[in-house]
Amino acid sequence: EDQVTQSPEALRLQEGESSSLNCSYTVSGLRGLFWYRQDPGKGPEFLFTLYSAGEEKEKERLKATLTKKESFLHITAPKPEDSATYLCAVQAGGGTASKLTFGTGTRLQVTL
Amino acid sequence: NAGVTQTPKFRVLKTGQSMTLLCAQDMNHEYMYWYRQDPGMGLRLIHYSVGEGTTAKGEVPDGYNVSRLKKQNFLLGLESAAPSQTSVYFCASSGTSTVRQFFGPGTRLTVL
Repeated sequence: EDQVTQSPEALRLQEGESSSLNCSYTVSGLRGLFWYRQDPGKGPEFLFTLYSAGEEKEKERLKATLTKKESFLHITAPKPEDSATYLCAVQAGGGTASKLTFGTGTRLQVTL
Repeated sequence: NAGVTQTPKFRVLKTGQSMTLLCAQDMNHEYMYWYRQDPGMGLRLIHYSVGEGTTAKGEVPDGYNVSRLKKQNFLLGLESAAPSQTSVYFCASSGTSTVRQFFGPGTRLTVL
């Protein structure tokens, strides 16, 4: 059974204080690892897809990396508008639909 | 483009009542999904569809039925609502050439 574990559950940072969120996974045949951002009362919003170990992707203050067992979402010099819940998900195995298994998320709060 | 839309946004039901949640997408995506999101549980797949006229069970299908009569619409039905079905429901869609899923804004359902 595919499993995704995110840590920490919640993180509070001051503006400008860089940190990393962790997503560890066990899956048979990883096809892709996804990061989403979710604001309160809204649907998840896509951030990144990573496909193979060693891959990195960046978007503004966010950088996602992938190893064979985990992914990190690095947040550099965060701002209050980066406050959100960050979700990690994996797509595994075969099949015709891109079914995802999600972690429970990391709730990030960035304060002034 | 509206992307993925969901109707209604909020609903309160009494135990035993029935209702249908409507999801619509205007991106010509083949695949559509229904998830539920509960505190501490993450997003869990209820049912999904790989094309018009097809449906399949996800991780937590019991108590729900779905239909995909038109490519752009995916309906989720609760025949006899139970308090355990109190949740936030998200619809998503994806294309065949990209595994990224696009999410709707969600429906908050309370069953009393």
